[in-house]
Amino acid sequence: RKEVEQDPGPFNVPEGATVAFNCTYSNSASQSFFWYRQDCRKEPKLLMSVYSSGNEDGRFTAQLNRASQYISLLIRDSKLSDSATYLCVFYTGGFKTIFGAGTRLFVKA
Amino acid sequence: NAGVTQTPKFQVLKTGQSMTLQCAQDMNHEYMSWYRQDPGMGLRLIHYSVGAGITDQGEVPNGYNVSRSTTEDFPLRLLSAAPSQTSVYFCASSRDTNEKLFFGSGTQLSVL
Repeated sequence: RKEVEQDPGPFNVPEGATVAFNCTYSNSASQSFFWYRQDCRKEPKLLMSVYSSGNEDGRFTAQLNRASQYISLLIRDSKLSDSATYLCVFYTGGFKTIFGAGTRLFVKA
Repeated sequence: NAGVTQTPKFQVLKTGQSMTLQCAQDMNHEYMSWYRQDPGMGLRLIHYSVGAGITDQGEVPNGYNVSRSTTEDFPLRLLSAAPSQTSVYFCASSRDTNEKLFFGSGTQLSVL
């Protein structure tokens, strides 16, 4: 089983839609979880951390399900500017980071 | 505050040539790392450093060397470029493990 699996998409949604992505991980020792955003040909930038109790930042909600070993990202009221690739990231201890391949999102007017 | 500065942005090499990708950060971060990003794959860790004078291998270290003589700089050397090293390279730094990564703007490298 791959260390991380992420639906590559693309997800094509209209403005104002709600869209959700999942990312599964295989290492139960994974300690910290993040979502990064990457615009075309740009560097990744942290979108939000993912906490066990779930957390929200404006239109974005992140959740962690340790039992099923996945994290999720929910985007409400999608904007054109949300079009990007979303990367899930896990830390498994020490300095070992695991990146998902990314989910591409296109928000259309 | 410049953050992480990575140069060059683009580079074309011939097979067998060597070169150095430069990375510098001004945030006094102890942790620095190099990744490569290939289509359809996540970023893969090449080498990392937990402080000046300390480096270690990541997931895909073959063909690359690093050194960390100062806290600020972490150059990546390609010893003898191969077409398989055609990729986008990102340098990153963070204050500590498990913390937010700050990335440089990337280097698009093509090896012919």
